[in-house]
Amino acid sequence: DAKTTQPNSMESNEEEPVHLPCNHSTISGTDYIHWYRQLPSQGPEYVIHGLTSNVNNRMASLAIAEDRKSSTLILHRATLRDAAVYYCILRDVSGGSNYKLTFGKGTLLTVNP
Amino acid sequence: SAVISQKPSRDICQRGTSLTIQCQVDSQVTMMFWYRQQPGQSLTLIATANQGSEATYESGFVIDKFPISRPNLTFSTLTVSNMSPEDSSIYLCSALKRGDEQYFGPGTRLTVT
Repeated sequence: DAKTTQPNSMESNEEEPVHLPCNHSTISGTDYIHWYRQLPSQGPEYVIHGLTSNVNNRMASLAIAEDRKSSTLILHRATLRDAAVYYCILRDVSGGSNYKLTFGKGTLLTVNP
Repeated sequence: SAVISQKPSRDICQRGTSLTIQCQVDSQVTMMFWYRQQPGQSLTLIATANQGSEATYESGFVIDKFPISRPNLTFSTLTVSNMSPEDSSIYLCSALKRGDEQYFGPGTRLTVT
């Protein structure tokens, strides 16, 4: 799987938007961009994924650069519950049923009250 | 979403013994996975649990050490065999749902003394 680069940590304030960046300069045309997060003492939780177009769901928005070499996960109004490690993962959909996820170190998001 | 439960939630085991971890999904799923998360680290995929056939192991993991069963579409077990203190980790199972979203169990925290 292609490699992603994320900041080790970020801080935000409650009720403010948060933009979590991810660089993936070696992304291929068949790589989907996935975001998961892991709250303290829990298993990871699916957040959002996309291929080329920006994506929105009830949890977050995913903004994908036009050249796809970077993406940004946007939390519109951070809450204390959003404090977690956020993982940006590329998943190659070529070759059929390869649904494996390769986790990097992720970004530790701290939300200040 | 999916509800995934794991048993036990935690255990303390003596070196040289084996522990079997159970993973139950609330509905039928095509693919299940087992991950390991060592203290302070990210998740590492151990294997894909295949229903009706042998599991597919990632590099560095072998069947003799981590035998996996998948007797049906809602259940899987991972055994950690002949344990040593280096096997102390959190073990997580996940299931693929909604086409491309993985849902994770809460994890089993294993301590080997």
